Amino acid sequence: DAGVIQSPRHEVTEMGQEVTLRCKPISGHNSLFWYRQTMMRGLELLIYFNNNVPIDDSGMPEDRFSAKMPNASFSTLKIQPSEPRDSAVYFCASSYDRVTYNSPLHFGNGTRLTVT
Amino acid sequence: QQQVKQSPQSLIVQKGGIPIINCAYENTAFDYFPWYQQFPGKGPALLIAIRPDVSEKKEGRFTISFNKSAKQFSLHIMDSQPGDSATYFCAALETGANNLFFGTGTRLTVIP
Repeated sequence: DAGVIQSPRHEVTEMGQEVTLRCKPISGHNSLFWYRQTMMRGLELLIYFNNNVPIDDSGMPEDRFSAKMPNASFSTLKIQPSEPRDSAVYFCASSYDRVTYNSPLHFGNGTRLTVT
Repeated sequence: QQQVKQSPQSLIVQKGGIPIINCAYENTAFDYFPWYQQFPGKGPALLIAIRPDVSEKKEGRFTISFNKSAKQFSLHIMDSQPGDSATYFCAALETGANNLFFGTGTRLTVIP
C-alpha cells in the first residue's frame, strides 16, 4: 500500500492568502485525522472524520480553518485567510476504524506550511 | 494540560547503549499506549504499542515496560544504533474516544 499521501510537501504563501492542503488516506480506512505539529504545542488533533463525516472538530483553532472529506479517498484542509502563526507541519493520518490497538493510526509525511 | 508527560526532551547515547524514554499519565481510562518514531521530514510511524493488561511488550530491539499502578510506561531500545536516531513520541488513548494524546517527544541521538 502507498500509505497516506499528502500534497503539497511544502507550501510557502503570503499572509492573507488561501491555502489548501490535500490528503489521500490508505484505501479501506474509514477514519481520517488532521494534525498540526509545532515546536511549541507538539502534535495537536485538528479534526477527525469517520466514514467521511466530521465527528470532532473541536481542535480546529478558528473559523479560518475548514476541512472537508467529499469521498472516502480524499480530504482537504483549508486555511483562509492564512496568518504567520499558522506556520507548522500539517499531518493527515488514517486508521481502519476508530483508533484502537487493532486499528492503529498511520501518518502521511506532512505538509510544511510557511506563511510570511 | 498535557495528558501525557514525556521525558527526557533529548537523549544522547553511544552505539550499543540502552536509551530509556519515560511517559506518565493521569487518566486511568487510557487503555492503548503506542510509541511513534519520527525521522526528519517524515511523519510519525507506529513503532510498538501496548495495552494495560500486560506489563511488557517486546518487538525486536524495542521494549515497552508498563506500570499500571504508577501510571507510567517507558520505551527501551536495546543495542541502539545510529539509525535509531530520531524523535520518539509516546501516546495514549481512551477506547471510544477520538483523540490520541501525544507526549512532547524525545530527540534521540545515537553516536557511532
